[in-house]
Amino acid sequence: AQKVTQAQTEISVVEKEDVTLDCVYETRDTTYYLFWYKQPPSGELVFLIRRNSFDEQNEISGRYSWNFQKSTSSFNFTITASQVVDSAVYFCALSERQANSGYALNFGKGTSLLVTP
Amino acid sequence: NAGVTQTPKFRILKIGQSMTLQCTQDMNHNYMYWYRQDPGMGLKLIYYSVGAGITDKGEVPNGYNVSRSTTEDFPLRLELAAPSQTSVYFCASSPDRGRGSPLHFGNGTRLTVT
Repeated sequence: AQKVTQAQTEISVVEKEDVTLDCVYETRDTTYYLFWYKQPPSGELVFLIRRNSFDEQNEISGRYSWNFQKSTSSFNFTITASQVVDSAVYFCALSERQANSGYALNFGKGTSLLVTP
Repeated sequence: NAGVTQTPKFRILKIGQSMTLQCTQDMNHNYMYWYRQDPGMGLKLIYYSVGAGITDKGEVPNGYNVSRSTTEDFPLRLELAAPSQTSVYFCASSPDRGRGSPLHFGNGTRLTVT
């Protein structure tokens, strides 16, 4: 079975610090997709990024950046100059083939990030 | 565009009661999903559907049932509520069967069984 591990349960930083959230995955598929979602205190799930396994370019979106390394099966997420509004639970997920057809997301347990002023 | 709509937002059930969590989407997505979220445990797949009339079990289906009579609706039924079903339930949809499609989530239903 495929597996997503987010070893950091909780992280606390002071505003303007950089922070990296780790994600390690296991899969037997040669082609696969990885995702990051954000869950703010209000509870909704917000899609942040999707990365496919054959594109190892790092991606940057404003203060957010993602480092995908196939050799170490990792897909880490860095927030630069963190802000209080970044406080949320962040989930890493791997697209997993289901028994009969189609795909669903297999989520890690999440990392709770608290950014204090 | 409403996206994925879940009702109710909150519900308290007594042990043994039954209820249906409603989910509807207006994006004409074929794929729909039910997940449950327990504190510190991430999201676990309960059931999913690849189209109207087709449903299948996910990782934690026991105690639940689903139906998919239309593309838009994917209700989740709890027949005999148990305290272990206290959780936050999320419905999601996806446009196609491709593994790269992100899921669009509803805002969740917080269920407490006492």
